[in-house]
Amino acid sequence: DAKTTQPPSMDCAEGRAANLPCNHSTISGNEYVYWYRQIHSQGPQYIIHGLKNNETNEMASLIITEDRKSSTLILPHATLRDTAVYYCIVRVEGAAGNKLTFGGGTRVLVKP
Amino acid sequence: DVKVTQSSRYLVKRTGEKVFLECVQDMDHENMFWYRQDPGLGLRLIYFSYDVKMKEKGDIPEGYSVSREKKERFSLILESASTNQTSMYLCASTPGRDTQYFGPGTRLTVL
Repeated sequence: DAKTTQPPSMDCAEGRAANLPCNHSTISGNEYVYWYRQIHSQGPQYIIHGLKNNETNEMASLIITEDRKSSTLILPHATLRDTAVYYCIVRVEGAAGNKLTFGGGTRVLVKP
Repeated sequence: DVKVTQSSRYLVKRTGEKVFLECVQDMDHENMFWYRQDPGLGLRLIYFSYDVKMKEKGDIPEGYSVSREKKERFSLILESASTNQTSMYLCASTPGRDTQYFGPGTRLTVL
């Protein structure tokens, strides 16, 4: 699986958009970009994933650059409950027993 | 909504005890996983299962065993708990694609 780089932490004002960057410059053509988050003392939660097109669901939007070397997760209107560690993962679908490997992630603090 | 439940949120056991952690999912998923999560080490896969009565070792199976007698239930067993098994244990399931749905976790402390 390709390595990802994320900033260790960021703050965001409640009600504003939170833009979380992720670099994955060694991504392969068949690797997807996945985002999970983990609220303190809870299990990880799937947010969104994509291959090359931008994706949107009820939780967030995922913007993938044309060269696929980086992506941005957008939380359109951050709430205090969005405070969590956000993990960007790049992997081939169905690879290696489907196990997930989380890096350090970005610790997001949403402030009132 | 997919629901993955784990039998306990917090558990305290003594060294040498046999410990059972249960995980149940209600979405008829084929694949189920047990991870442990420790500060600075991220998620580590202990065991996974692709089907009933089927199990595969993950990266750190030593000291653990698993049981999958029914599709919806995947149990993790610590035959003789040790202090280095103090951790957050996370169960996950997936229908076969890569989106994994996690339970709330069990924080196990072994004294």
